[in-house]
Amino acid sequence: EIVMTQSPATLSVSPGERATLSCRASQSVSSNLAWYQQKPGQAPRLLIYGASTRATGIPARFSGSGSGTEFTLTISSLQSEDFAVYYCQQYNDWPRTFGQGTKLEIK
Amino acid sequence: EVQLVESGGGLVQPGGSLRLSCAASGFTFSSYGMNWVRQAAGKGLEWVSYISSSSSNIYYADSVKGRFTISRDNAKNSLYLQMNSLRDEDTAVYYCVTDGRPGLYCTGGVCYGWYFDLWGRGTLVTVSS
Repeated sequence: EIVMTQSPATLSVSPGERATLSCRASQSVSSNLAWYQQKPGQAPRLLIYGASTRATGIPARFSGSGSGTEFTLTISSLQSEDFAVYYCQQYNDWPRTFGQGTKLEIK
Repeated sequence: EVQLVESGGGLVQPGGSLRLSCAASGFTFSSYGMNWVRQAAGKGLEWVSYISSSSSNIYYADSVKGRFTISRDNAKNSLYLQMNSLRDEDTAVYYCVTDGRPGLYCTGGVCYGWYFDLWGRGTLVTVSS
């Protein structure tokens, strides 16, 4: 099983600033990596797939990068609605696995 | 409107059974692989099971293999999860989720799915005596 490790567990950032979230895979997942955003009481929402392709309707302030085992989600200028939990997920092999999540909170 | 609506959750005793359903609308259900993903309260996301568009490829997480059965009825635009021998640790919100692209990609005799795209709102399953 591919283990996905996200860091940090919690990230405190002020609105308007940049946030950088990391995700590491225990073995290469090529570019088969997605990012999701989840707000309290809601289902997750797809943000990024293919490591760097924004999903439909996702603002340009969200960007993804990386390949192999190291990935990054960057939010360039945080808006109030961006404070949430973010998960990375690999779909390169079965079982599909998620990271444990990064909680992005207001500083 | 494109949507997935889960139903069938509830309270069940350990060792009991439950059948979840997911009704799909607004897209060509029969073209997409489908998944169940669960989330225990305050915890992260766990993929549970996948079924391909034609039901020819089915995969399970080790934690549910032999106890859960995924199925679909393309004529009814519906996905199902039969859950038997339920345990306390199966308590979670269960989400019905589409794959991000139609079909599978296969290489070296193994077929792989895609990222998770459309999510339902989830149905709560509570296993407790």
